[in-house]
Amino acid sequence: EVQLVQSGAEVKKPGESLKISCKGSGYSFTTYWIGWVRQMPGKGLEWMGIIYPADSDTRYSPSFQGQVTISADKSISTAYLQWSSLKASDTAMYYCARLYFWSGYPFDYWGQGTLVTVSS
Amino acid sequence: EIVLTQSPGTLSLSPGERAALSCRASQSVSSSYLAWYQQKPGQAPRLLIYGASSRATGIPDRFSGSGSGTDFTLTISRLEPEDFAVYYCQQYGSSPHTFGGGTKVEIK
Repeated sequence: EVQLVQSGAEVKKPGESLKISCKGSGYSFTTYWIGWVRQMPGKGLEWMGIIYPADSDTRYSPSFQGQVTISADKSISTAYLQWSSLKASDTAMYYCARLYFWSGYPFDYWGQGTLVTVSS
Repeated sequence: EIVLTQSPGTLSLSPGERAALSCRASQSVSSSYLAWYQQKPGQAPRLLIYGASSRATGIPDRFSGSGSGTDFTLTISRLEPEDFAVYYCQQYGSSPHTFGGGTKVEIK
């Protein structure tokens, strides 16, 4: 069974750093890309970027380029989303999701989401 | 970047009725790389339709997708109680793979 299991909810202060994770199982982790999607409270879905764990090829949305870093450790089948300095506006639910190729394939499996709250 | 506009924002219908949700793109979506997702409160999105008209695994046949170029439609032939949710379209042919703003289907 394909599963993407994300790390737990986080509460942070502005200016702090954070790294959340997404562990894949039930499939060949290095055959698929992993993407990250933001959902701010009460709002829609925003595509942040994707990574190919086999070689760490990464594509970012211009809206998120330079704001976050996407990485992966193929040895433990885990992808990451990290911030160096959080802002209150980073408060959101973050989902990871799997896709077969960077273009031409949708997100077919999703993680359960990680809620990030940034508040002083 | 391709902008997707979904309409209406909210659709108020009764169980058993037919729902038609629209997704319009600011430029042509290559090879009909258009997907629809369903999201229920407190849950992650779920893939319903890909390639504009192909149902994902396990999706009931009351869900159908159509369209090409810049105009796409998700149709739910007869609404079941579990279909009341928010629906998003996404194009995945051109990076970034943008989402529409969503249509909420609510019980009338």
